[in-house]
Amino acid sequence: NAGVMQNPRHLVRRRGQEARLRCSPMKGHSHVYWYRQLPEEGLKFMVYLQKENIIDESGMPKERFSAEFPKEGPSILRIQQVVRGDSAAYFCASSPPSGVANEQFFGPGTRLTVL
Amino acid sequence: QQQVKQSPQSLIVQKGGISIINCAYENTAFDYFPWYQQFPGKGPALLIAIRPDVSEKKEGRFTISFNKSAKQFSLHIMDSQPGDSATYFCAAFSSGGYNKLIFGAGTRLAVHP
Repeated sequence: NAGVMQNPRHLVRRRGQEARLRCSPMKGHSHVYWYRQLPEEGLKFMVYLQKENIIDESGMPKERFSAEFPKEGPSILRIQQVVRGDSAAYFCASSPPSGVANEQFFGPGTRLTVL
Repeated sequence: QQQVKQSPQSLIVQKGGISIINCAYENTAFDYFPWYQQFPGKGPALLIAIRPDVSEKKEGRFTISFNKSAKQFSLHIMDSQPGDSATYFCAAFSSGGYNKLIFGAGTRLAVHP
């Protein structure tokens, strides 16, 4: 009974490169959420997706950030032209189909370091 | 109005003592209040949660107290153990519209033997 899986666990990028973070939700879960955690801070919501649909992207920066959850495969959070301020831990969470969206289970996170 | 304020920022407790972490919110639309525990290098793990129709929920050594009129809730860890040393986050959720958890800033708990 695998939990939420994220890869890579650690990612190092130079300024201007692209970062791709992957998230596979728990079995049976169809809702995916991405959160960002800056050092010594709480988690901040970025985006909420269901299969092939972005439901709420109110927490996503307007530029350089995008997310998708295709019909097949993991959810992807993409950061283009990374800057040092993008260095953070990015967590994915998943929840069961509608009705219990509050029960979000988190993955181990991807720690992005931008040099 | 979307914020959840958490205190203290850090807490040191002796083994066997009671750890108390407090949170406050403004948005009355919130209707689910979970607490998450996070160890270094790991993702947050759901610890215990409460809905505003009850004033207290207990699971083992962990208890949530909820004061709806004051819009405050707290986590009590009884008989604190060194293995409880972690960062604790309160959060709030509204099933009526928003699908995101709003997190507090976290409390770093250290339980000394």
